[in-house]
Amino acid sequence: NAGVTQTPKFQVLKTGQSMTLQCAQDMNHEYMSWYRQDPGMGLRLIHYSVGAGITDQGEVPNGYNVSRSTTEDFPLRLLSAAPSQTSVYFCASSKATGTVGGYTFGSGTRLTVV
Amino acid sequence: ILNVEQSPQSLHVQEGDSTNFTCSFPSSNFYALHWYRWETAKSPEALFVMTLNGDEKKKGRISATLNTKEGYSYLYIKGSQPEDSATYLCARNTGNQFYFGTGTSLTVIP
Repeated sequence: NAGVTQTPKFQVLKTGQSMTLQCAQDMNHEYMSWYRQDPGMGLRLIHYSVGAGITDQGEVPNGYNVSRSTTEDFPLRLLSAAPSQTSVYFCASSKATGTVGGYTFGSGTRLTVV
Repeated sequence: ILNVEQSPQSLHVQEGDSTNFTCSFPSSNFYALHWYRWETAKSPEALFVMTLNGDEKKKGRISATLNTKEGYSYLYIKGSQPEDSATYLCARNTGNQFYFGTGTSLTVIP
């Protein structure tokens, strides 16, 4: 089925470990983004990309890196995990900047840093 | 208003009641306003994308209006059903950046 695929669904990391959250979409969407969702707070934008080779910071970028080498993939890297990064992470994509049809979201990754 | 604000935070209604929620946002630098429906254990699903002042959108029993000059949008649900139970999110799009509200949690009691 067409959509946004996120892996893994669950992950436990130790403080200081690094890891990559994978995100892939097969809808030829130009715009891709990563959000984190914490209790009592709205979805907060971490990084986004408006096309292959172009990335930019969102509201809460510290501690995360992204790259966009292809239209389909937009991985999120945690460089040195901290307990404050315990969250649910969502990848989302859209045609252009979301004015047509809105975002399509992945199923989320629940990350716990101990 | 600095951020996107949604009210009420939660709402319980009886099956068959009609209801509405509010999304307030800064009226400056407006590009688009999104509404999403988010069911428990699922991902947010787009309902509407609204760009023009005075826009009205409808999908079945759900509709939305937009006032960009005063910075608010209303989401209406007519004749609520238990399957409407979800969190309803709005997001302000300023071009490349999106700012989400914390949502209104709707519970429809059979």
